Amino acid sequence: DIQLTQSPSFLPASVGDRVTITCRASQGISNFLAWYQQKPGKAPKLLIYTVSTLESEVPSRFSGSGSGTEFTLTINSLQPEDFATYYCQQLNSYPLTFGGGTKVEIK
Amino acid sequence: EVQLVESGGGLVQPGGSLRLSCAASGFSFSDYYMDWVRQAPGKGLEWVGRVRNKANRLTTQYAASVNGRFTISRDDSQNSLYLQMNSLKTEDTAVYFCARRRSNGCIDHWGQGTLVTVSS
Repeated sequence: DIQLTQSPSFLPASVGDRVTITCRASQGISNFLAWYQQKPGKAPKLLIYTVSTLESEVPSRFSGSGSGTEFTLTINSLQPEDFATYYCQQLNSYPLTFGGGTKVEIK
Repeated sequence: EVQLVESGGGLVQPGGSLRLSCAASGFSFSDYYMDWVRQAPGKGLEWVGRVRNKANRLTTQYAASVNGRFTISRDDSQNSLYLQMNSLKTEDTAVYFCARRRSNGCIDHWGQGTLVTVSS
């Protein structure tokens, strides 16, 4: 199984900050990586797919990059509504797996 | 508007069974692969399994943790997805989400989730 390791697990930040979340895969997953945002008590929401393609209506302050085994999600100029937990997911092979999550919290 | 609405959650004893349903609307259900994803209280997301569409023979894939105990099925005439859960364990306690897979593999729509509690 492909393991996804997200870091950090917790990320204290302030409005206006630029934050970066890393997702490392235990083996190469080509470009089969997606990022989701989840707020408490809500279903996850798709942000980015195929590493760097922004989902429709997702603000352009979100971006994704990477290849092979290391990927990043960057949020430029963090907004109040961005405080949430973020998950990466690999779609390269079964079983599909998620990273452990990164909670972006108010500093 | 795409809508996915889960139902069937509740309290069940260890070793028991439960069947979850997901009612889909707003899209051509039969064209899509569908997934179940779960989230234990206070924990991260765990992919449970997938059923492909009829064009791909309705084949299924499962996480190792549920393989042999859970069965995913679908009824395209009813626009419904199902998760039959047998031999339930306390570690199966979670919110279960029904989800739609886009052609490029990612999950683009999620239900609101239904809570399954396995406890004596």
